[in-house]
Amino acid sequence: ETGVTQTPRHLVMGMTNKKSLKCEQHLGHNAMYWYKQSAKKPLELMFVYSLEERVENNSVPSRFSPECPNSSHLFLHLHTLQPEDSALYLCASSQERAYEQYFGPGTRLTVT
Amino acid sequence: KNEVEQSPQNLTAQEGEFITINCSYSVGISALHWLQQHPGGGIVSLFMLSSGKKKHGRLIATINIQEKHSSLHITASHPRDSAVYICAVSPDSNYQLIWGAGTKLIIKP
Repeated sequence: ETGVTQTPRHLVMGMTNKKSLKCEQHLGHNAMYWYKQSAKKPLELMFVYSLEERVENNSVPSRFSPECPNSSHLFLHLHTLQPEDSALYLCASSQERAYEQYFGPGTRLTVT
Repeated sequence: KNEVEQSPQNLTAQEGEFITINCSYSVGISALHWLQQHPGGGIVSLFMLSSGKKKHGRLIATINIQEKHSSLHITASHPRDSAVYICAVSPDSNYQLIWGAGTKLIIKP
């Protein structure tokens, strides 16, 4: 497996469910990102991890909870989401924070 | 006004046409990125540039730092070029990318 992978690719969940999105990078990078992409809007940066430490949290509601157990893995734990949270969630990684980012295929999330 | 503006928002062209997508920005930057997003969702980095011009196959990216403007050109366009093209900048002030809204390109056979 190469590059950045994300699972699942599609997720439908009710507002009371708890689920997790997983991202794995096989590029030896030391920075990882979560982005949200809603229809017809620019990408929104949610979280940044550098060397497994969270260095950025862009006013994201607490119903989104990131976890970075090591430099290759990043999780986004979801609970009591709202329908407006339905979007494409993209993970990316880079070698140092200012460098080119490599993206995973995304998880299409639908909250019912 | 957004710090990164792309034009046009949507572009439909015939196969073989020369395509130009523009990006203007209002902040000082250390680099500008062009990325491609196919309907499946995945985003691929095409170019990262801080001056001049870069070419990869049929794709050419140029940047004019003084005018704060970049263009992405596609020569001999093909239906498989149909995608959303996104411009993003790395501002001088921090490492976070500032994203444009994207240009949706459709190439008809």
